This record gives sequence, C-alpha cells and structure tokens, in this order.
Amino acid sequence: AQTVTQSQPEMSVQEAETVTLSCTYDTSESDYYLFWYKQPPSRQMILVIRQEAYKQQNATENRFSVNFQKAAKSFSLKISDSQLGDAAMYFCAHRPGSNYKLTFGKGTLLTVNP
Amino acid sequence: ETGVTQTPRHLVMGMTNKKSLKCEQHLGHNAMYWYKQSAKKPLELMFVYNFKEQTENNSVPSRFSPECPNSSHLFLHLHTLQPEDSALYLCASSQSLGGGKAGELFFGEGSRLTVL
Repeated sequence: AQTVTQSQPEMSVQEAETVTLSCTYDTSESDYYLFWYKQPPSRQMILVIRQEAYKQQNATENRFSVNFQKAAKSFSLKISDSQLGDAAMYFCAHRPGSNYKLTFGKGTLLTVNP
Repeated sequence: ETGVTQTPRHLVMGMTNKKSLKCEQHLGHNAMYWYKQSAKKPLELMFVYNFKEQTENNSVPSRFSPECPNSSHLFLHLHTLQPEDSALYLCASSQSLGGGKAGELFFGEGSRLTVL
C-alpha cells in the first residue's frame, strides 16, 4: 500500500517570497505519478502540478516547481513569488501508473502574509 | 463553470433523516468518484463508477448509498447517519480510470455535511 506524508501541517510565507512544501511517500510501484493539489477556501480542489516517476526532469508550471528525489521518495513543491491567491490547503498525492487510486497526504495549510 | 458541480453546498441533517447529495460533471468524462474529507485526515475514496457501473466500494457503510444513472450524474443517498459522518464530501470525475493524463481527477467544490 502507498503512503503519503506531509510533515508540515501549516506554513506561512510573505508575499513575493518563496516557500517550499514537503512531501515524502512510500510505494512499491515502479511506475507512478505524483501530484500537488491546491484547495482554496472556496474548496474546489485543483491540480497544481504533476510528475511522472520515469521522468528525471522536475516538473514546472509557471511559479510552481517540484524537487523530485526518487531514491529518497521525496516530492517537494516550491512556490516562487508567492501571491495572496496562493493561500490554500495543499495536498500531495500518489497514483500508481496502472490505476486510478490516488493516495493523499493530510495536507499543508499555506498562509500568505501581505 | 467549474466543470463539476455539487449540490447542496451545505447540508444539516438529523440522524434519522434521509437526504441526497448530487454531483454533475460537464466535462464529458466517463468515471466519477465520491471522496470523504475529514479534518486532519487524508481524503478517503468511497465509491468509483465507470460508465455508470460501480467499480469500487471502499468498505463504505450501507447508510451511504451511491447512484449513478448516467456518466454525467452521481448521487450519494444518505440515511441514518452518525455524527462522525460529518465531513466534506467531494465528487470528482476523470476521462477514464486508467493511468496517465486521462485518469486525472477534476473535483467539485464539495458538500459540507453536518449530522446532528
């Protein structure tokens, strides 16, 4: 069974600064995907970024990037130039390559201070 | 247009009531899901439907009864719930159940359920 651990229940960052959210996972799968989801106060969960395990290059989406360390089973999210709209709960998730079963972490609540 | 719409957004019910949650997706997806989100816990997958056929029931108590009349609509019928069932119930859809981009989930905003 897969497990996903987010060790930071809460984080805060100053507007325009950079913040890194941590995630570690455990899996016996060789083919899998990793995701970061964002859930703003309005509650709709949206996909921020995805990483295929077979790709060595770290995924990037505008101000969001990941540091994927496969051997260490670590998948952190870096948010650059933080904006007030980045304030949300962030969930790390794992999915085997062969099926739909997402395993989520407990989430990290990010506060952005003006 | 969120793509996945859930109603009601908030629901308060007594333990003997019968109520239903509704989910509708406008994305042309074939798979739909119910998740339970409780505070300080990971999201829990409850049910999965693919082409309106149930493919997974994750040991959910029978007081939760899902219904999927077509690929665009998903219901969760609630009956004789317990206070510990109070949570945010999220609906999601995906193009397919497989891996890759087609299996990526799109979520609704959720229905906040309070059981008194």
